[in-house]
Amino acid sequence: GAGVSQSPSNKVTEKGKDVELRCDPISGHTALYWYRQSLGQGLEFLIYFQGNSAPDKSGLPSDRFSAERTGGSVSTLTIQRTQQEDSAVYLCASSRVQEVSGNTIYFGEGSWLTVV
Amino acid sequence: GESVGLHLPTLSVQEGDNSIINCAYSNSASDYFIWYKQESGKGPQFIIDIRSNMDKRQGQRVTVLLNKTVKHLSLQIAATQPGDSAVYFCAENIGGYSTLTFGKGTMLLVSP
Repeated sequence: GAGVSQSPSNKVTEKGKDVELRCDPISGHTALYWYRQSLGQGLEFLIYFQGNSAPDKSGLPSDRFSAERTGGSVSTLTIQRTQQEDSAVYLCASSRVQEVSGNTIYFGEGSWLTVV
Repeated sequence: GESVGLHLPTLSVQEGDNSIINCAYSNSASDYFIWYKQESGKGPQFIIDIRSNMDKRQGQRVTVLLNKTVKHLSLQIAATQPGDSAVYFCAENIGGYSTLTFGKGTMLLVSP
């Protein structure tokens, strides 16, 4: 596809269960970001991958959150033992260039996670 | 901690009016700012950006103003249209090699 693809688009899970969210970045994009957006809030940075460099995990809120990026392309965000406060939209973005530039960062439509 | 914030959570305007959305930032080291538009159920879309060596930048129907003295950023939308209804976020960046820090957003509602 032409854009950043995320799946699932919606996920309802029970408290305590693990969830995996997937992001397919735009082909050729070396930078990949995960953000979280709670209802009525701005975007909260979670993690950043750039090429083969060590990821910037400084935004992950707890050790229940982890992310991988295999082969420099697809990324998976995993939330273990989900809590109700994890309910949010999880947005993935990718960029072709390393330097942050607004018109080169493309966002997916997000994965809506509801923890009941 | 330092963060980007917005003065108005909701702005209601009539079609054809000019809209002004404001944003205050507190990190004086930020040197790059972006405005995003987010429609319901979609990811943020880039509107316009500005670097700290500028105080004004114009796009198509949009203008961004940067006042570094008071750490204030604004987005002006001329002749607002119903299709402009969305949540608008400002975001800041330091040095170009870190991530973006987003504000909470302002909902713009345009009435026909």
